Amino acid sequence: EPEVTQTPSHQVTQMGQEVILRCVPISNHLYFYWYRQILGQKVEFLVSFYNNEISEKSEIFDDQFSVERPDGSNFTLKIRSTKLEDSAMYFCAGLQGAEDTQYFGPGTRLTVL
Amino acid sequence: GESVGLHLPTLSVQEGDNSIINCAYSNSASDYFIWYKQESGKGPQFIIDIRSNMDKRQGQRVTVLLNKTVKHLSLQIAATQPGDSAVYFCVFKENAGGTSYGKLTFGQGTILTVHP
Repeated sequence: EPEVTQTPSHQVTQMGQEVILRCVPISNHLYFYWYRQILGQKVEFLVSFYNNEISEKSEIFDDQFSVERPDGSNFTLKIRSTKLEDSAMYFCAGLQGAEDTQYFGPGTRLTVL
Repeated sequence: GESVGLHLPTLSVQEGDNSIINCAYSNSASDYFIWYKQESGKGPQFIIDIRSNMDKRQGQRVTVLLNKTVKHLSLQIAATQPGDSAVYFCVFKENAGGTSYGKLTFGQGTILTVHP
């Protein structure tokens, strides 16, 4: 069964550094999402992406965040200048469009020191 | 600094018992409801869903009940197994103009622990 994959599984970075989190969605998915989960808290929506543009974004998704799908395969989340409070699990998800189920990847744990 | 997490509701059951996990929602615009399971160190995994025009839906060992009058959603797991131990999230989606691609809004989560 196809799965959403994410790399790296764990990223440690210094405050102020840029990070890029990568996701490979399931091949027939058309809608893509990033969510984050701060340790011990619920999963929060960041951004949705369709047809190479952002469909919706949350208040969390400020100017420090960006997403792109550069090669039609990978879906990336970039944080330009990381802050301590960006430390969280970041989940990529995808949706086929013909159904409603969003399938999540295993997540990337981001630790900002 | 230290971050303080939410104190999640917990449910402990014995293997073989039936489990019921409850969830309240407040947004009347929610018309699609999903239960996701999250095991430690993994991403959320879809379990079962239900639309607002239904009040019950059954899957394999799981049943979701929806009471729109009191805005209450529940997940019933029959013959609970140790492998069912996880955090269970009730998740909502608003009707994004009739499309299917709206964002998911996660509820607080319930920790289910199944003892052998």
